[in-house]
Amino acid sequence: DVKVTQSSRYLVKRTGEKVFLECVQDMDHENMFWYRQDPGLGLRLIYFSYDVKMKEKGDIPEGYSVSREKKERFSLILESASTNQTSMYLCASIQDRRVTRSPLHFGNGTRLTVT
Amino acid sequence: AQSVTQLDSHVSVSEGTPVLLRCNYSSSYSPSLFWYVQHPNKGLQLLLKYTSAATLVKGINGFEAEFKKSETSFHLTKPSAHMSDAAEYFCVVSGNRGSTLGRLYFGRGTQLTVWP
Repeated sequence: DVKVTQSSRYLVKRTGEKVFLECVQDMDHENMFWYRQDPGLGLRLIYFSYDVKMKEKGDIPEGYSVSREKKERFSLILESASTNQTSMYLCASIQDRRVTRSPLHFGNGTRLTVT
Repeated sequence: AQSVTQLDSHVSVSEGTPVLLRCNYSSSYSPSLFWYVQHPNKGLQLLLKYTSAATLVKGINGFEAEFKKSETSFHLTKPSAHMSDAAEYFCVVSGNRGSTLGRLYFGRGTQLTVWP
């Protein structure tokens, strides 16, 4: 069974800190995604990656960057955390970009609080 | 452009009664549609998907959804709710071409409460 592991379940950071959210998947998936989940807004795509060292902006990339140095690991970086980045962050992976062929596999999320 | 609208942010039902979670979609071409469920403190799990085969799609845990092109709807139903169905449900449409390939567009979610 595919496992997507997010390194932290809860994280509290101060405004202005640089924050790293880590995600690892164990099924050799090429495609990985970072979403942000807020009440009443559903999931919004921050960044995604189709291959190592490749990245593309999603719908809300401002204030974030990503790193994909290895196939199994996709990191989300908050360069200078702000209180409006307090949220639940979800990582996901999928083997085939034709999403009809297989489901998106999600991690359990990291709840980040910026004070 | 692809988008989905979940018509209810909250739905409450009694255990044993039918469940209806409503979703309308917008897509430039034939869509692929999904329902995902998120239980408290868990990641999202795929319930079912429509991919242009049968319009009535059966999923896990007794859920099913019907694709109605004329109404641009993909409502989720279950004949009899169980306490364990209490969760948040997301209707999702996928991008199928070009730069949208592989991207999923999520609705805002419907929180389902099941009363004993």
